[in-house]
Amino acid sequence: NAGVTQTPKFRVLKTGQSMTLLCAQDMNHEYMYWYRQDPGMGLRLIHYSVGEGTTAKGEVPDGYNVSRLKKQNFLLGLESAAPSQTSVYFCASSPMGLAKNIQYFGAGTRLSVL
Amino acid sequence: QQQVKQSPQSLIVQKGGIPIINCAYENTAFDYFPWYQQFPGKGPALLIAIRPDVSEKKEGRFTISFNKSAKQFSLHIMDSQPGDSATYFCAASAGYSGGGADGLTFGKGTHLIIQP
Repeated sequence: NAGVTQTPKFRVLKTGQSMTLLCAQDMNHEYMYWYRQDPGMGLRLIHYSVGEGTTAKGEVPDGYNVSRLKKQNFLLGLESAAPSQTSVYFCASSPMGLAKNIQYFGAGTRLSVL
Repeated sequence: QQQVKQSPQSLIVQKGGIPIINCAYENTAFDYFPWYQQFPGKGPALLIAIRPDVSEKKEGRFTISFNKSAKQFSLHIMDSQPGDSATYFCAASAGYSGGGADGLTFGKGTHLIIQP
């Protein structure tokens, strides 16, 4: 019973490099989310998806792209990493219906951009 | 624009004490108010949640108090233990009964330490 799995757990990038963060959930949830967590800032929503093939922007989408080609996977891409994107990234998922507000989080990916 | 304001940023309480964390919101469309608990190196986990049609909800040692007119809600931890030491986030979302999912708007978090 893995829940929400994020890979990788840690990554160091140089400015301008690109990378993709993978989120996988095995709970058959419709909704998936990407957040970033910065000291003193709480968690801020980057992008989210309400189903396979659909994505939408959250509060801080600039510099990120996402894709939801399969229901169980939600990818977060950084095309040209910047030091301002140094953060801890969390993926979450939730089911449809009234339980949609119960979000299950992964353990996070710690990203440093030098 | 911060839609959910959380205080205090940090809190130290002796074992057995009752830490209280407060949150205030602005968006009257919010209709679901969860609290998340996060331990170091882990993702947040849902602790307890409330809807605005009730003024209080208890689950074990954790209680949410909700004041709709003041647009405020708070978390109380009864008989606090060192194992409760964690970062606590309040959050809010709109459209509880709707078909969409817009994510959660989080407060900035409270780092709670329970001293033995």
